[in-house]
Amino acid sequence: NAGVTQTPKFQVLKTGQSMTLQCAQDMNHNSMYWYRQDPGMGLRLIYYSASEGTTDKGEVPNGYNVSRLNKREFSLRLESAAPSQTSVYFCASPSNTEAFFGQGTRLTVV
Amino acid sequence: QKEVEQNSGPLSVPEGAIASLNCTYSDRGSQSFFWYRQYSGKSPELIMSIYSNGDKEDGRFTAQLNKASQYVSLLIRDSQPSDSATYLCAVPFSGYSTLTFGKGTMLLVSP
Repeated sequence: NAGVTQTPKFQVLKTGQSMTLQCAQDMNHNSMYWYRQDPGMGLRLIYYSASEGTTDKGEVPNGYNVSRLNKREFSLRLESAAPSQTSVYFCASPSNTEAFFGQGTRLTVV
Repeated sequence: QKEVEQNSGPLSVPEGAIASLNCTYSDRGSQSFFWYRQYSGKSPELIMSIYSNGDKEDGRFTAQLNKASQYVSLLIRDSQPSDSATYLCAVPFSGYSTLTFGKGTMLLVSP
């Protein structure tokens, strides 16, 4: 039982490049989230999807887009990466009692 | 404004001592509260949830909730070096389907 799977684990981008972070969950949950974590800032919500076909902005959505491809998959896209987007990104999928996290993607934008 | 406040630490305790971690939240309507542990370079993992005023115990961990004071705490008894991690308080605010996290408290347990 994999839970929440994120790819890639590490990525280095040049300023202006684009990339998509992939997330998949096999727990049949309706909701999925994308967070970013920066030193001293905790986990901040970028976008979330409460159900298949819906997406909503979180606390820090600027510079990102998301796609809820189906119930299992929720991707995060950086269209034109900036150094300020250097961070650790976590995908999460909540049940009624807890949120399950992927292993994280460490992204560096140079 | 959705706010979850925690002392950033580090909180340093000797092995065997009780570690006390605190969290305050801004939404009086919040009904559920979660404590996550995050080891360096790893993803957060749930260690405790609490929904009612009072104490909830699970092994060496006790969560305490006071809704009137908008305060939730986590006590770790007989602290071990393996408890050294960052502890995140998380609250789903009323009317929202998402979790808001505090910035976390780093706990260091020295042998």
